[in-house]
Amino acid sequence: GQNIDQPTEMTATEGAIVQINCTYQTSGFNGLFWYQQHAGEAPTFLSYNVLDGLEEKGRFSSFLSRSKGYSYLLLKELQMKDSASYLCAVRDGDYQLIWGAGTKLIIKP
Amino acid sequence: DADVTQTPRNRITKTGKRIMLECSQTKGHDRMYWYRQDPGLGLRLIYYSFDVKDINKGEISDGYSVSRQAQAKFSLSLESAIPNQTALYFCATSDLGQDGGEQYFGPGTRLTVT
Repeated sequence: GQNIDQPTEMTATEGAIVQINCTYQTSGFNGLFWYQQHAGEAPTFLSYNVLDGLEEKGRFSSFLSRSKGYSYLLLKELQMKDSASYLCAVRDGDYQLIWGAGTKLIIKP
Repeated sequence: DADVTQTPRNRITKTGKRIMLECSQTKGHDRMYWYRQDPGLGLRLIYYSFDVKDINKGEISDGYSVSRQAQAKFSLSLESAIPNQTALYFCATSDLGQDGGEQYFGPGTRLTVT
């Protein structure tokens, strides 16, 4: 079956760094996405990885290891506005997006 | 103005009623999707369309139907609403691009079936 696993909830401190992990088992792989979703709002795109390695975009970075079925999202210099859910999604062999349940990130002052 | 819009934003309906959720986009994308989101679960795909003449069932299409009236419009219908269809519904669009076809989401429709 197809499965995406990510922690349900994480807590971090303002100004710190947090890493949100995502592991996946899918029938084929055509890229991995990270989205941010504030409570009651629409998901918004953060990053896309299709090759192994690290992609950096400002305070956010995303890493992929296809051989391990593993990705992480790294958030640096955390701000209170980063409190949100972070969704990992994998495009499978049929080019469909399989979504994880999301990680709720709580930022404390 | 928002690129992807959904109407209504909130809807309360009774069991057995037929309702329609509408989605419009100005991004010029060919691909459109309907998802539902339930607490503790990931987004689940209901239907998707890669162009006006193409409609495909997603993971959880039972109890739903769709219509792609134009490139910019994609409607979702619940033929006979039931309480377990209470959820947050999102429309999304995409086009293959530099970031591999990221999806752009509408603001969502919160549907309650009593």
